[in-house]
Amino acid sequence: DTAVSQTPKYLVTQMGNDKSIKCEQNLGHDTMYWYKQDSKKFLKIMFSYNNKELIINETVPNRFSPKSPDKAHLNLHINSLELGDSAVYFCASSQGGRRGREQYFGPGTRLTVT
Amino acid sequence: AQRVTQPEKLLSVFKGAPVELKCNYSYSGSPELFWYVQYSRQRLQLLLRHISRESIKGFTADLNKGETSFHLKKPFAQEEDSAMYYCALKSGNTGKLIFGQGTTLQVKP
Repeated sequence: DTAVSQTPKYLVTQMGNDKSIKCEQNLGHDTMYWYKQDSKKFLKIMFSYNNKELIINETVPNRFSPKSPDKAHLNLHINSLELGDSAVYFCASSQGGRRGREQYFGPGTRLTVT
Repeated sequence: AQRVTQPEKLLSVFKGAPVELKCNYSYSGSPELFWYVQYSRQRLQLLLRHISRESIKGFTADLNKGETSFHLKKPFAQEEDSAMYYCALKSGNTGKLIFGQGTTLQVKP
């Protein structure tokens, strides 16, 4: 059983387009996250939702908009894509932020903007 | 400032040699630290968390608050250990993870 899944796995698109990445978890967790892994493999948090409420919003351009329709889903919509948005985007989930709770990661979505 | 530093971008060792991947952190509070591993083209997986004080796949890591370090060690490296290793610090109650820059471990035959 896949715990955290993302679609699509690969996404190639042109500058200026709008695209979405979907994430679903079947672990019953109440918190979900989006991370960006850049070309140097550096991982940085972008957003987090707890029970459909936004709790973390790092310094991310407002072209990026997360949406959480329910606790099991956290989607990422990106408007007006730019070359610098090319990266691997990882979704993760956990049971709150309490001590000892690990985050489970999805397989990643490799976004290439041409 | 909350920060995690992994000073080595690449660590290359021969099979059977000891391994130590360094991690230093900066955090004003009681830190919670993790090591995550990413095998080639796979998702990140939790390897260790400091509060468990466990040994996974022969790896151990001890939190040293005096030196603000959480180095990952293994006495005898195996080829299958080759991967990217990330040290991460949990910040606050939101669960936000602050990652180090990552260290690629290359174990040569």
